[in-house]
Amino acid sequence: SYDLTQPPSVSVSPGQTATITCSGDQLGDRYSFWHQQKAGQSPVLVIYQNNKRPSGITERFSGSNSGNTATLTISGTQAMDEADYYCQVWDDSAGVVFGGGTKLAVL
Amino acid sequence: QVQLVQSGAEVKKPGASLKVSCKASGYTFTSYNIDWVRQAPGQGLEWMGWMNGNTGNTGYAQRFQGRVTMTRDTSTSTAYMELSSLTSEDAAVYYCARGSSGYLHFWGPGTLVTVSS
Repeated sequence: SYDLTQPPSVSVSPGQTATITCSGDQLGDRYSFWHQQKAGQSPVLVIYQNNKRPSGITERFSGSNSGNTATLTISGTQAMDEADYYCQVWDDSAGVVFGGGTKLAVL
Repeated sequence: QVQLVQSGAEVKKPGASLKVSCKASGYTFTSYNIDWVRQAPGQGLEWMGWMNGNTGNTGYAQRFQGRVTMTRDTSTSTAYMELSSLTSEDAAVYYCARGSSGYLHFWGPGTLVTVSS
C-alpha cells in the first residue's frame, strides 16, 4: 500500500503564510491533490495536479510537489482558512490515497 | 453547475445492508467516474472505490472488496453504493465525488449513516 503522512496540526497567525506538508515515497513522481474541509462541511478541492487551482479557489492557495514532499501554501492566511486539509494521490494498486489530514488553526 | 445530490440520513441495524444514492447534474454523467469516500466521526477521509459512469466498471479499495457494490442508472444520472454486513465501525458520513483517475473535483453533501441495534 502507499502511505501519505501529514502533520496533525499547524497553527498560523492571521496574515502570515501557512505551510502544510505531505510526505510519501517518491511522491514527486505522482500528481498530488489537496482538499479543504471546514467543520461540518463536505471537502472542497483546492489544488489539483500539484499546483493548479480549480475555478473559484483564491490565488492565496498554491501547491508544489518534489522529491518525497508535497506542500500546500496559504498566503495571507485568514480566519476563513481554518479547516482540515487532506493531501491525496492516485496509486495504481491502492486507488485513491488520502493523508491523515492536518488541522489548520488561525490564531 | 455540477451538482451531486445524495440520499438522506439512514439508521441501520448491525448486519443490515446500506444503499446510498448520488444523483448528478450539470455535466455528462457518462464522461466521468463516481468515487465514494467515507468519514467516520472525528476521523479522516477513507476512499471506498470508483465506478465508471459510462461502462459501469468498478474498482474497490481492498478492505471493502466483497462487501461493497457500486452501480449506476444512466437514465437518471444516478450512482449507487451498497455496503453489506454493517457493523458499528461503518457508522460514518458517506460522500460521492465526481472523479477521474483520482481527480476528485466535486463532492456531494454527504449521507450520515448510523449503525445501532
